[in-house]
Amino acid sequence: SQTIHQWPATLVQPVGSPLSLECTVEGTSNPNLYWYRQAAGRGLQLLFYSVGIGQISSEVPQNLSASRPQDRQFILSSKKLLLSDSGFYLCARGGRDGYTFGSGTRLTVV
Amino acid sequence: GDSVTQMEGPVTLSEEAFLTINCTYTATGYPSLFWYVQYPGEGLQLLLKATKADDKGSNKGFEATYRKETTSFHLEKGSVQVSDSAVYFCALRGGGTSYGKLTFGQGTILTVHP
Repeated sequence: SQTIHQWPATLVQPVGSPLSLECTVEGTSNPNLYWYRQAAGRGLQLLFYSVGIGQISSEVPQNLSASRPQDRQFILSSKKLLLSDSGFYLCARGGRDGYTFGSGTRLTVV
Repeated sequence: GDSVTQMEGPVTLSEEAFLTINCTYTATGYPSLFWYVQYPGEGLQLLLKATKADDKGSNKGFEATYRKETTSFHLEKGSVQVSDSAVYFCALRGGGTSYGKLTFGQGTILTVHP
């Protein structure tokens, strides 16, 4: 089966601190991978997607960056967090049946 | 570009009531359509899908029919349960090559009371 692991599940970080969220995928090779953010009470915002190692496309200009150092690893980073970076971050893998999502990371910037 | 519009929420129903969540879309070509469900504190799960006109997707008592003539994919359930309380997202994947990207609606919060 195809599984997506995200960690940590919950994170509280001070403003100005760095961020690294990791997503790893099992059971498939060369997946299309996506990072979404869901602000409280709102819909899904696509942040980044990747079709292969080292290939990152950014959907919106922002304080975040993404990297794909390995085929099944997708990392979301920030050098200095802002209050507005708070939200629920979801990693997803694309496939024939749409997406498979990870369980998400709840980030609170204080 | 592609877009998905869902009915405004939140939707509040009593147990065993009939549910409809409207979803309409704009897309070129022949998109695939999806409904996802998000339970509190969790990621999204695929609920059902349809890949061509007149297809009916169904799962867990939920149904949605791909209506190309009205560009709609409304979600229905005949008798909701408290456990159906969640956020529901309609989504489409364009018929062109877009690396499998899905376009999501804004989500509809459903609350079912006993």
